Amino acid sequence: GAGVSQSPSNKVTEKGKDVELRCDPISGHTALYWYRQSLGQGLEFLIYFQGNSAPDKSGLPSDRFSAERTGGSVSTLTIQRTQQEDSAVYLCASSFGRRSQETQYFGPGTRLLVL
Amino acid sequence: AQKVTQAQTEISVVEKEDVTLDCVYETRDTTYYLFWYKQPPSGELVFLIRRNSFDEQNEISGRYSWNFQKSTSSFNFTITASQVVDSAVYFCALRGRGGSEKLVFGKGTKLTVNP
Repeated sequence: GAGVSQSPSNKVTEKGKDVELRCDPISGHTALYWYRQSLGQGLEFLIYFQGNSAPDKSGLPSDRFSAERTGGSVSTLTIQRTQQEDSAVYLCASSFGRRSQETQYFGPGTRLLVL
Repeated sequence: AQKVTQAQTEISVVEKEDVTLDCVYETRDTTYYLFWYKQPPSGELVFLIRRNSFDEQNEISGRYSWNFQKSTSSFNFTITASQVVDSAVYFCALRGRGGSEKLVFGKGTKLTVNP
């Protein structure tokens, strides 16, 4: 079956512009996660969705970051007024359920470069 | 707080050598889950194994084996007879039970297998 897909695979933007990153989870997976991978910080959790609600947004670095999920499926991560420090690979993962033993399966990521 | 430490930043071996990647974790949870992921140069995180805290039985899968020791809070990963295709960054991750559903990752170990 299809894995987690993300688009675009690469995004170059200018400082101050808004960007939207998309994640399409594995069909039937109710839990969805966003992580960020950067050289200095490693892999960091951003936000977690169960269905369409986000019980844990604790990893969002600032109010410029927001995310939504619709129809219990596709999710969009939006970064407003991008800054150079936002440059990173943004990874999406999904799991069948929310239980701790569920394995998270990752997509290929979106590589964001803010000039 | 939960923490995962992968003390080895980079390891370089020659093909057919055995190599062990170390992972030490910290958690106050009595039930927790440990994971290993592989990130090849293509960038996608590939799930390798999940281990429950109440199951200390070691596991072998082909050339891969995992040694889980609660007494030392370690979950080490050994590749036997390494191959060039094993070259990747390997991440160890921890997820507690209840509370946040996020994975806490180590910084990763970059393994290079030379022909």
